[in-house]
Amino acid sequence: EVQLLESGGGLVQPGGSLRVSCAASGFTFSIYAMSWVRQTPGKGLEWVSSISATGGSTFYAGSVKGRFTISRDNSKTTLYLQINSLRAEDTAVYYCAKHSSGYYPFIDYWGQGALVTVS
Amino acid sequence: EIVMTQSPATLSVSPGERATLSCRASQSVSSNLAWYQQKVGQAPRLLIYGASTRATGFPARFSASGSGTEFTLTISSLQSEDFAVYYCQQYNKWPRTFGQGTKVEIK
Repeated sequence: EVQLLESGGGLVQPGGSLRVSCAASGFTFSIYAMSWVRQTPGKGLEWVSSISATGGSTFYAGSVKGRFTISRDNSKTTLYLQINSLRAEDTAVYYCAKHSSGYYPFIDYWGQGALVTVS
Repeated sequence: EIVMTQSPATLSVSPGERATLSCRASQSVSSNLAWYQQKVGQAPRLLIYGASTRATGFPARFSASGSGTEFTLTISSLQSEDFAVYYCQQYNKWPRTFGQGTKVEIK
């Protein structure tokens, strides 16, 4: 069974930093692209960042480019999102998401999310 | 950026009735479109991929169609467990973009 378990969310002051982690299990982590998607309270979904299976390629939404860094440790089957220079508008639930292959197609599994509050 | 527009924002339907949700892309996304179902307090769940292929675990009352810029999700006979928010997402180009969602509520 695919499991994605986020951790590291919390309350941070504007301008602060945070690292959100996602522990993956139940599948061969190293062959799948992964992403972070966020959802602001009461609002819709926003794609944040994606990373290739090897970690060699990364993509970012314009709203986070230069502030957020996605990375992965395939030996630990863990995905990370380093969030710097936090703003109030970054307040959201951050979902870890698994793609259906190594080439960034649709997301087939989502974690339960980690709440990041900037205040 | 490809803008995904869903309509209506809210759909009020009685159990047993048919629901039709629309998703429009600002430019062609071919068939690289997914639908996700999100219930209150839960993470989204993959419902449809490739514009029309139903994901594992969803019954046949869910169907979808379309390509290019116009897409439709149909729930043929709404059950109580189908009341949720439905999002479309294109995965044809970067950045990946979602529609704003359609809330299917009990009439």
